[in-house]
Amino acid sequence: AQSVTQLDSQVPVFEEAPVELRCNYSSSVSVYLFWYVQYPNQGLQLLLKYLSGSTLVKGINGFEAEFNKSQTSFHLRKPSVHISDTAEYFCAVSGNTGFQKLVFGTGTRLLVSP
Amino acid sequence: DTEVTQTPKHLVMGMTNKKSLKCEQHMGHRAMYWYKQKAKKPPELMFVYSYEKLSINESVPSRFSPECPNSSLLNLHLHALQPEDSALYLCASSQPRRGNTEAFFGQGTRLTVV
Repeated sequence: AQSVTQLDSQVPVFEEAPVELRCNYSSSVSVYLFWYVQYPNQGLQLLLKYLSGSTLVKGINGFEAEFNKSQTSFHLRKPSVHISDTAEYFCAVSGNTGFQKLVFGTGTRLLVSP
Repeated sequence: DTEVTQTPKHLVMGMTNKKSLKCEQHMGHRAMYWYKQKAKKPPELMFVYSYEKLSINESVPSRFSPECPNSSLLNLHLHALQPEDSALYLCASSQPRRGNTEAFFGQGTRLTVV
């Protein structure tokens, strides 16, 4: 079984500052890792994904994440945030099956203030 | 077209009502999903259809009845719901294969049971 831990329920940051949202996973098999963003009253939008290959993954809106197998982590980073990045961010894991049976972390609310 | 369309966006229903949620995609995906998201919680998988056949039922109560009439449509029939079933219901689709695949989510249906 897979699981995801997002230790930070909320991360406040000032506009144009860098941010890192932490995600740790647990799995006994190889996994695929994802970061999704959810704006208020919206569905989920994929920011980036790690399937294999390069451990540094670049996504949309200037976000990137690094897969670290030894630390079982997949932290999300952005060098300079905007007010519009205020949203809920979910880290998710799925196994190596034919389905996107996603298991989500509890989410991190990113609050960007001026 | 990379959209998953869900209707209605909002639904209020009584505990004795019967209603249906609809989901449509035209990306040629052959796997479709229902997730349930309670307020301030991550999405939780309910059902997975693969090639129009129910592949996964995550022990969902029978008052929720999924249906996949064709490869583009996914319905969720609701009957005799309880107030605790109030949530955001998200539909998603993907290609049912290992490897480079991702799930695309709809905007969700906000369901309130009164």
